[in-house]
Amino acid sequence: AQSVSQHNHHVILSEAASLELGCNYSYGGTVNLFWYVQYPGQHLQLLLKYFSGDPLVKGIKGFEAEFIKSKFSFNLRKPSVQWSDTAEYFCAVHGNGNKLVFGAGTILRVKS
Amino acid sequence: NAGVMQNPRHLVRRRGQEARLRCSPMKGHSHVYWYRQLPEEGLKFMVYLQKENIIDESGMPKERFSAEFPKEGPSILRIQQVVRGDSAAYFCASSPPDRSAYEQYFGPGTRLTVT
Repeated sequence: AQSVSQHNHHVILSEAASLELGCNYSYGGTVNLFWYVQYPGQHLQLLLKYFSGDPLVKGIKGFEAEFIKSKFSFNLRKPSVQWSDTAEYFCAVHGNGNKLVFGAGTILRVKS
Repeated sequence: NAGVMQNPRHLVRRRGQEARLRCSPMKGHSHVYWYRQLPEEGLKFMVYLQKENIIDESGMPKERFSAEFPKEGPSILRIQQVVRGDSAAYFCASSPPDRSAYEQYFGPGTRLTVT
């Protein structure tokens, strides 16, 4: 069965610090990979996605993620976080069937 | 183009009552998915529906839960005889018929509290 593992449940950073959130998945076939963000009180929004091609994917708001097939990883990065990036971040995989399989989420708090 | 709509946003039910959660997909979207988010956990898939058809209900509890997506009107997730463990956020997502494998757009969720 597919699964997604996010390494940190809570991350606290100061503004301008660099961010990397880990995501590993288990699925041997072709996968579509996603990062979603949920700002406080809001619904899930798509940050970025990977289907094929360049493994380095650029998303909205300065986020990027790198797909490393050999490591089954799809880590999310941002060089310099802002207070407004405070949110919960979910990694998801879409492989077998149409459902998305989500990780448990990482709550990011950025201190101003 | 309005996004995915869910109502109510908050729902309080006593144990044993029924809960009905509604989801109106984005215009032109004929695929609907329901997910449940328990505290401290990620979203878990429950059911995938197309108009008048349940395609995949592998994530639905065997009892008390049902879902439908009629030809007209919103998709409904129905929970009968709610228990405290049903307290969670329930999210609906929709996708267009030709891109269901690629993009799902989420609604704001319904937060169910069972007292």
